[in-house]
Amino acid sequence: DAGVIQSPRHEVTEMGQEVTLRCKPISGHNSLFWYRQTMMRGLELLIYFNNNVPIDDSGMPEDRFSAKMPNASFSTLKIQPSEPRDSAVYFCASSPDSSNRDGYTFGSGTRLTVV
Amino acid sequence: GDSVTQMEGPVTLSEEAFLTINCTYTATGYPSLFWYVQYPGEGLQLLLKATKADDKGSNKGFEATYRKETTSFHLEKGSVQVSDSAVYFCALSDRGSARQLTFGSGTQLTVLP
Repeated sequence: DAGVIQSPRHEVTEMGQEVTLRCKPISGHNSLFWYRQTMMRGLELLIYFNNNVPIDDSGMPEDRFSAKMPNASFSTLKIQPSEPRDSAVYFCASSPDSSNRDGYTFGSGTRLTVV
Repeated sequence: GDSVTQMEGPVTLSEEAFLTINCTYTATGYPSLFWYVQYPGEGLQLLLKATKADDKGSNKGFEATYRKETTSFHLEKGSVQVSDSAVYFCALSDRGSARQLTFGSGTQLTVLP
């Protein structure tokens, strides 16, 4: 099992550019989560999907952020336009089902730097 | 709503010292409880879990017991190693939070040789 795979591992971009982060959940997992981690705010849930359907996007900071899950094996988080305050580590996580009884499996994260 | 409170860090210990990281929770139902560990530059990894009162989760020498009467899930290890240096997160999954994980703020542990 390859685990949750995120790409890229590091992204440096200029303010105003579009950024796309990618995630491949564990095969067979039905729930997918996007988190953002910063020193100031800690770990924040941005959005989560169940069976490819967005269930709760109340954590998405503003309209510049969007997330999609076109199929069970792929999700993207897009920031357009990016701003320096978006600099953070973005994690994707998946779980077998919505009960989350066994917790989540996290990817290794994408470290985003917006200059 | 649900919440998790962890002891403030950072915590610095010498190798072979005893570790306790306190975690208390507030939940509307009967939550499952978790400890996650995050090593530098990596994602969060599940360390241990407990799904009902009095359950003890254990892994890699770490233990935590689900105490419903005190709403606590303290993490302990009898003898820490330098390789245990990481950030530790307590979390819960509860019906009141639609079964999403609610995380504590994390506790940074540094173990000195």
